[in-house]
Amino acid sequence: TQLLEQSPQFLSIQEGENLTVYCNSSSVFSSLQWYRQEPGEGPVLLVTVVTGGEVKKLKRLTFQFGDARKDSSLHITAAQPGDTGLYLCAGVGSGGSNYKLTFGKGTLLTVNP
Amino acid sequence: KAGVTQTPRYLIKTRGQQVTLSCSPISGHRSVSWYQQTPGQGLQFLFEYFSETQRNKGNFPGRFSGRQFSNSRSEMNVSTLELGDSALYLCASTPGSSGRKQFFGPGTRLTVL
Repeated sequence: TQLLEQSPQFLSIQEGENLTVYCNSSSVFSSLQWYRQEPGEGPVLLVTVVTGGEVKKLKRLTFQFGDARKDSSLHITAAQPGDTGLYLCAGVGSGGSNYKLTFGKGTLLTVNP
Repeated sequence: KAGVTQTPRYLIKTRGQQVTLSCSPISGHRSVSWYQQTPGQGLQFLFEYFSETQRNKGNFPGRFSGRQFSNSRSEMNVSTLELGDSALYLCASTPGSSGRKQFFGPGTRLTVL
């Protein structure tokens, strides 16, 4: 069974601070996705990383995929209250299970004004 | 394009009852996946349908079932409801046969009393 562990589980910071959340697994995934979910909504895809060592930037968000494609991190610079939400990482299986996402339990981020 | 829609948005049932949830994917999307989200377990994969065929099923009891219609709309059914079935049920649709880009609906919040 493929598992993804996210840390920290909860994070409460002040506006303007930087933060990093982590997503780790003992399994290799063909790609890894990051989602943000706001209350009352479904998760919204932020980014997909595919290549080991890949780094993608989305404004103040930087996503990195580990060299071995087992782990990933999300770094937010100068966090804003609008960044508040549940951040989920999801691994995409390979081969015959490429339709299935395995999710971590998420990091609940609160950015206080 | 309209997004993924799920009905109803909220549902309250009692133990022992059954429930049917509906999901309409984005127009042109042929794959629909269902997930259960709870605070303790996070997002867990229920099953996925592609062209009216269930391709895979997660580790849920047989009380959880689903189907997909020729217009790609999908339903999931939970029979003999238990308190532990209280959760947010999310549906996601995908353009093709790969799970790499999934678009989630807002979910159906099921409460079992």
